[in-house]
Amino acid sequence: AQTVTQSQPEMSVQEAETVTLSCTYDTSESDYYLFWYKQPPSRQMILVIRQEAYKQQNATENRFSVNFQKAAKSFSLKISDSQLGDAAMYFCAYTHNNAGNMLTFGGGTRLMVKP
Amino acid sequence: DADVTQTPRNRITKTGKRIMLECSQTKGHDRMYWYRQDPGLGLRLIYYSFDVKDINKGEISDGYSVSRQAQAKFSLSLESAIPNQTALYFCATSEAGAEGRNTIYFGEGSWLTVV
Repeated sequence: AQTVTQSQPEMSVQEAETVTLSCTYDTSESDYYLFWYKQPPSRQMILVIRQEAYKQQNATENRFSVNFQKAAKSFSLKISDSQLGDAAMYFCAYTHNNAGNMLTFGGGTRLMVKP
Repeated sequence: DADVTQTPRNRITKTGKRIMLECSQTKGHDRMYWYRQDPGLGLRLIYYSFDVKDINKGEISDGYSVSRQAQAKFSLSLESAIPNQTALYFCATSEAGAEGRNTIYFGEGSWLTVV
C-alpha cells in the first residue's frame, strides 16, 4: 500500500522569507503523480502544484516549486517570498496510474506566516 | 455556481441518528469520491464511484454507505452516527482516463459534528 508522510505538523515563516515543507512517500509503482494541495481557513482544497514521476524536471508554479527526489521518495514544497495569504494547511498527496485518480494524502502541515 | 456542491455545509446531529451528506457536480464527470478529513490524518477515502452502476469501498468505509443517484449526484449516509464520525467530509470528482493528469475537483466540504 502507498503511504504519504508529512513529518512537520506545523511550520512558521516570516513574511517575504522562504519555507520548505517536507513530504516522503512509499510506493512500488513506477508511474505515479505527486501533488501539493493548499487548504485555507475557507476549507477549499486548492491544487498548488503537480509532479509527474517520470519527469526529472522539478515542477514550478510562480513562487511555488518542488524538490522531487525520486530515489529518496521525497517531494518537498518550497514557497518563496512568503505572503500572508500563504497561511494554510498544506497536504502532500499521491496517486498512480490505474488508481482511478484516487488520492492518498499525508497528514498535513499547518503553515503560519508572520508579518 | 460551484463545480461541486455539497449540502449541508455544516451539521450537528445526535448519536444514533441517520444523516445524509449530498454532493452534486456540474462537470459531467463519471468519477466521484467521498473523503473524510481528520486532524493529523489528512484526507482518507471512504467510497468511490466510477459510474452510476459502479460503487466501491475505500480505505475507511465501515459505518458509511453511499448512493449514486445519477451521474451528477453522489450521497454519503451515516446510518447511525457516532461521535468518532465527527469530521470534515469532502466530495470530489474527476474525468476518467489520463490518471494523475486530470484535475480533481473538490467540493467545499461538509463539517459534521456528532454529539
